[in-house]
Amino acid sequence: AQRVTQPEKLLSVFKGAPVELKCNYSYSGSPELFWYVQYSRQRLQLLLRHISRESIKGFTADLNKGETSFHLKKPFAQEEDSAMYYCALSPRTSGSRLTFGEGTQLTVNP
Amino acid sequence: DTEVTQTPKHLVMGMTNKKSLKCEQHMGHRAMYWYKQKAKKPPELMFVYSYEKLSINESVPSRFSPECPNSSLLNLHLHALQPEDSALYLCASSQDLPGGGKDTQYFGPGTRLTVL
Repeated sequence: AQRVTQPEKLLSVFKGAPVELKCNYSYSGSPELFWYVQYSRQRLQLLLRHISRESIKGFTADLNKGETSFHLKKPFAQEEDSAMYYCALSPRTSGSRLTFGEGTQLTVNP
Repeated sequence: DTEVTQTPKHLVMGMTNKKSLKCEQHMGHRAMYWYKQKAKKPPELMFVYSYEKLSINESVPSRFSPECPNSSLLNLHLHALQPEDSALYLCASSQDLPGGGKDTQYFGPGTRLTVL
């Protein structure tokens, strides 16, 4: 079975502060990890996937297989980063069954 | 066209009504998905279609009936729903990867369904 855990339901930081959204997973095979973001009244959209190793909107995430984590980080948060963030996992062999964590609501205060 | 579109945006229906949700994509993706999302909760997978064939049904009640008429279209037929079925229904699509597996899922804006 695959499971994704986001321990923080709510996270509040000030503009310009560093932010880290935690994600831990459990899966016996080789997973593919994603971060999706849902801004208010907008569609769920892909922010990052671990295999692309790119930085989007200043966010990065590194897959740590030893700690089974895929934390999302940004050195300087912006007000427009306020949104719901979901970590998600799919088996690399099939990719159909995308399992989401419960989500972290990030609020960046001015 | 790089988007998944869904119609209608909002739908209000009674428990005895029959209605349908529609989803369309023209990205050449051969996998399409229906998810249900309650407020402040993650999307829950309902159905997966691969090459127009139903490949995953997550034990969804029969009052939800999916249909994939062609590779670009996905419908969700609704009948005799309950108030607890009120939610945002999301459609997604993805393409195949070389060697098997599916690529990143792209989501539509959703249909907000209210069952009275």
